Amino acid sequence: KQEVTQIPAALSVPEGENLVLNCSFTDSAIYNLQWFRQDPGKGLTSLLLIQSSQREQTSGRLNASLDKSSGRSTLYIAASQPGDSATYLCAVKIFYNQGGKLIFGQGTELSVKP
Amino acid sequence: DAGVIQSPRHEVTEMGQEVTLRCKPISGHDYLFWYRQTMMRGLELLIYFNNNVPIDDSGMPEDRFSAKMPNASFSTLKIQPSEPRDSAVYFCASSHGQGTGELFFGEGSRLTVL
Repeated sequence: KQEVTQIPAALSVPEGENLVLNCSFTDSAIYNLQWFRQDPGKGLTSLLLIQSSQREQTSGRLNASLDKSSGRSTLYIAASQPGDSATYLCAVKIFYNQGGKLIFGQGTELSVKP
Repeated sequence: DAGVIQSPRHEVTEMGQEVTLRCKPISGHDYLFWYRQTMMRGLELLIYFNNNVPIDDSGMPEDRFSAKMPNASFSTLKIQPSEPRDSAVYFCASSHGQGTGELFFGEGSRLTVL
């Protein structure tokens, strides 16, 4: 059974710091891995999608890596800003019933202090 | 595109009442998902459709929950009768292609059952 774990559950950093959020999964048979951002009371916004054949994806100050063999992904945020404060969720898409199914971690709540 | 559109954004109802949540997926997307998010259980997949056909409803908690997709641009999630433990945020999401497709979420419907 696929399980997704995110560490830490919460993180507080001063503005300007570079930081890393971690995601681990138990089964390497995945279609892809997706990182989302969720602001309070809002839906999930897709940040980065890494296909199983890829090692990393970059978008602006964000870089996500994927190591399927070790069951790990990291989301690197460079030069953090107060506007980055949100909950970050990773999800792996597994092979399931004529397609795929997204399994979510519990998220990391990030607070960036000015 | 306007993204995935959900209504209502907030619903407060009394136990025993019928609740209907609505979703308009992104045009051209052939997969539609209903998720529920709570503090205790995180994000749970309830049901998903492919080309308007329900593929997997194993996540639907019980017979009080039902979902329909009469056409490619509209889906409903109905709870009848509602109970306080159904209080949660219900998200609709859509993607193009189940395997490697990126998932896009709506803003969610926050349901409170008194």
